[in-house]
Amino acid sequence: DAGVIQSPRHEVTEMGQEVTLRCKPISGHNSLFWYRQTMMRGLELLIYFNNNVPIDDSGMPEDRFSAKMPNASFSTLKIQPSEPRDSAVYFCASSIRGTNEKLFFGSGTQLSVL
Amino acid sequence: QKEVEQNSGPLSVPEGAIASLNCTYSDRVSQSFFWYRQYSGKSPELIMSIYSNGDKEDGRFTAQLNKASQYVSLLIRDSQPSDSATYLCAGLLTGGGNKLTFGTGTQLKVEL
Repeated sequence: DAGVIQSPRHEVTEMGQEVTLRCKPISGHNSLFWYRQTMMRGLELLIYFNNNVPIDDSGMPEDRFSAKMPNASFSTLKIQPSEPRDSAVYFCASSIRGTNEKLFFGSGTQLSVL
Repeated sequence: QKEVEQNSGPLSVPEGAIASLNCTYSDRVSQSFFWYRQYSGKSPELIMSIYSNGDKEDGRFTAQLNKASQYVSLLIRDSQPSDSATYLCAGLLTGGGNKLTFGTGTQLKVEL
């Protein structure tokens, strides 16, 4: 199995631009999570999906952030417009619901907003 | 109070020693806990899980859960330089669902 696949690995953009991060979960996993990691705040859960349905988006910082999961094998996290304080590593993770949430993480997207 | 709290470290131990990593949690966290290891520039990977009070051993790793004290720990015996990483404690939030909340991590350095 290829594991959780994220793209791009690195993204450098200018303030105000739209950023789209992509994730392909492990086949057969029915829960998908988007986390953001910074030195100051550690790993923060932004949103998670069960069976492609958003369950909890209370961690999404503001309306500039949105996430979709159109099917079981693909999810996107979009930031529009981006701001320098959005600079962080964004991780996607997947799991099999009911397995006490043993998460498998992708390699992350390092986002820098200038 | 953050749901899961850890000292950021760094914790330095000599090679071959026992490394002890600690974590406390609030009432908003349920009784399922996980330890993830994260090497610099890499993603977190699960190394231990513990669901009941007491100790759970896996090779050189032992996870300990004390529900009365709301305390979780990870012991690494015979520490190796390859154990140098940040260790993240995580727990499931109460109230149903499957939200996993993480501590900010403890950086471990195993010195030759």
